[in-house]
Amino acid sequence: GAVVSQHPSRVICKSGTSVKIECRSLDFQATTMFWYRQFPKKSLMLMATSNEGSKATYEQGVEKDKFLINHASLTLSTLTVTSAHPEDSSFYICSAEYMSNSYNEQFFGPGTRLTVL
Amino acid sequence: EDQVTQSPEALRLQEGESSSLNCSYTVSGLRGLFWYRQDPGKGPEFLFTLYSAGEEKEKERLKATLTKKESFLHITAPKPEDSATYLCAVQAAATDSWGKLQFGAGTQVVVTP
Repeated sequence: GAVVSQHPSRVICKSGTSVKIECRSLDFQATTMFWYRQFPKKSLMLMATSNEGSKATYEQGVEKDKFLINHASLTLSTLTVTSAHPEDSSFYICSAEYMSNSYNEQFFGPGTRLTVL
Repeated sequence: EDQVTQSPEALRLQEGESSSLNCSYTVSGLRGLFWYRQDPGKGPEFLFTLYSAGEEKEKERLKATLTKKESFLHITAPKPEDSATYLCAVQAAATDSWGKLQFGAGTQVVVTP
């Protein structure tokens, strides 16, 4: 299957600072990537859809100004958590959509554990 | 509104004891139904996409089936390494859905030797 990477895998930061998380599709081009958040022992919650060359589409209740998304190329999307606070601590996971004429699949990155002190 | 319900929430199996996980869904036009496994602290690992009722797919000890209302993931003669949380997700055919996935809560499977 296709490979999606995330960097960093783990980050600890002080309250008030900004943190950038990168999501890359390593062996395919992805016009659409997705950002999820996962709380302990819970399922994935979609935060936003990232489209290459256009603005991201955010899910209801997700603050656009706090979670900045940039999809600069067909292989890279970034999520920046601005002015992070302890309640932003979570597991953030991205996915990339791989499509062909006959099927579509979505592959996930390994996730980024964010801890805000 | 699209909904995905997985059952049971948790399943404990003896090695070799086959079982099935259920994913029932409602969606306004199904584009695809996805199965993933997730290990603690890791991202979901893609298993299958099913597209239409009657379709079946297999991978090692796993077999996924699809009807118009639900999907089953059958685990045949499981081994301890099959222990994981199994996630089901639906993707709607609506053009404004952008391919996003609606996930169920997952089924946590533990296989003991």
